[in-house]
Amino acid sequence: GAVVSQHPSWVICKSGTSVKIECRSLDFQATTMFWYRQFPKQSLMLMATSNEGSKATYEQGVEKDKFLINHASLTLSTLTVTSAHPEDSSFYICSARAGTGGYEKLFFGSGTQLSVL
Amino acid sequence: ELKVEQNPLFLSMQEGKNYTIYCNYSTTSDRLYWYRQDPGKSLESLFVLLSNGAVKQEGRLMASLDTKARLSTLHITAAVHDLSATYFCAVQTSGTYKYIFGTGTRLKVLA
Repeated sequence: GAVVSQHPSWVICKSGTSVKIECRSLDFQATTMFWYRQFPKQSLMLMATSNEGSKATYEQGVEKDKFLINHASLTLSTLTVTSAHPEDSSFYICSARAGTGGYEKLFFGSGTQLSVL
Repeated sequence: ELKVEQNPLFLSMQEGKNYTIYCNYSTTSDRLYWYRQDPGKSLESLFVLLSNGAVKQEGRLMASLDTKARLSTLHITAAVHDLSATYFCAVQTSGTYKYIFGTGTRLKVLA
């Protein structure tokens, strides 16, 4: 099946620094990728839809300037958390659509645990 | 705005027992998914349900979809400890590629 690689798996950074998370589709092309955020023992919250070659579509309440998304190629989307603060600490998961028609599935990266000190 | 709710949120059950997890969604949808998540891990795809009346089974898990009632169920048969995890349903909103996740059901199967 389709594989989505996400890294780093975990990152610890100081408050005020920026962190970049990469999400790659390894064996398929993904015109659309999604970024989710998950707090402990809670559901996944859709942050934004990343579209190859165009600007990302952010969900209501998500700060565009804080969470920069770039989808420069059909296999790579990046999420940069700018000027991170402790409240940005969370589990971030990317996903990509694979397949067509009735065989579409959403494949998930392994997630990135971000801890901001 | 599409809302997806699961019931129950927490479930503790004995091995060998049966139980059903419910997923309700508020607006029309193209398709519904079920995922499993182990602690600290990402999501594993379990089922994709595409049409009204769809039923899929894999091992001790069976999922069904009733689009008229906007309800999907995940039925667990003769639970075993290895099924302990958090289960999420997710709904793809009609006409878009957005996937909205349910609240999740944390399942603990006791030996």
